[in-house]
Amino acid sequence: DTGVSQNPRHKITKRGQNVTFRCDPISEHNRLYWYRQTLGQGPEFLTYFQNEAQLEKSRLLSDRFSAERPKGSFSTLEIQRTEQGDSAMYLCASSLMLSPYEQYFGPGTRLTVT
Amino acid sequence: DAKTTQPNSMESNEEEPVHLPCNHSTISGTDYIHWYRQLPSQGPEYVIHGLTSNVNNRMASLAIAEDRKSSTLILHRATLRDAAVYYCILTSGNAGNMLTFGGGTRLMVKP
Repeated sequence: DTGVSQNPRHKITKRGQNVTFRCDPISEHNRLYWYRQTLGQGPEFLTYFQNEAQLEKSRLLSDRFSAERPKGSFSTLEIQRTEQGDSAMYLCASSLMLSPYEQYFGPGTRLTVT
Repeated sequence: DAKTTQPNSMESNEEEPVHLPCNHSTISGTDYIHWYRQLPSQGPEYVIHGLTSNVNNRMASLAIAEDRKSSTLILHRATLRDAAVYYCILTSGNAGNMLTFGGGTRLMVKP
């Protein structure tokens, strides 16, 4: 399977704990995006990378959130001191730089903060 | 930012055509119209996009009004697998590279 993969698929954590999610994009894609989706809503943009450079961050991305893409391949999204409001599906997508709006999404990581 | 308006939900019978409308009356000349869909428990999936002319691909057709203030996604023969939330999204090269999803239309397909 050469699609976008995300791990873990599900994560349950207690409030205050740190969590980290991983995204492996389609190998030739140089753009990588993170979105968050809560129940009944469409996905909301969080941040995106072109290769290893983080080019844009949403105001939704509080100081507790950090994303990296160290070698321009896989990416990690870390949430520190989780809160119940962080419970959501975290989606990763990738695209070619020349087709930024044709994004291929992974299955998501569902985070539940108890 | 230009916004889109879609019905919350629609129903269709299996093997019949489905026309999913989207209004975007404040669209600018450089905005592309994209459609994505999200099947249950999956990430969104690109369907089709266009600028001014109607577009066809293996999944669907996109009909764009002459004044570009509305568009319609056409599924020629709905199958049960087409049951999903369909999102109409405007994109502009000046607005970054994120997709701005609205609430979408939940399509239910009856056998």
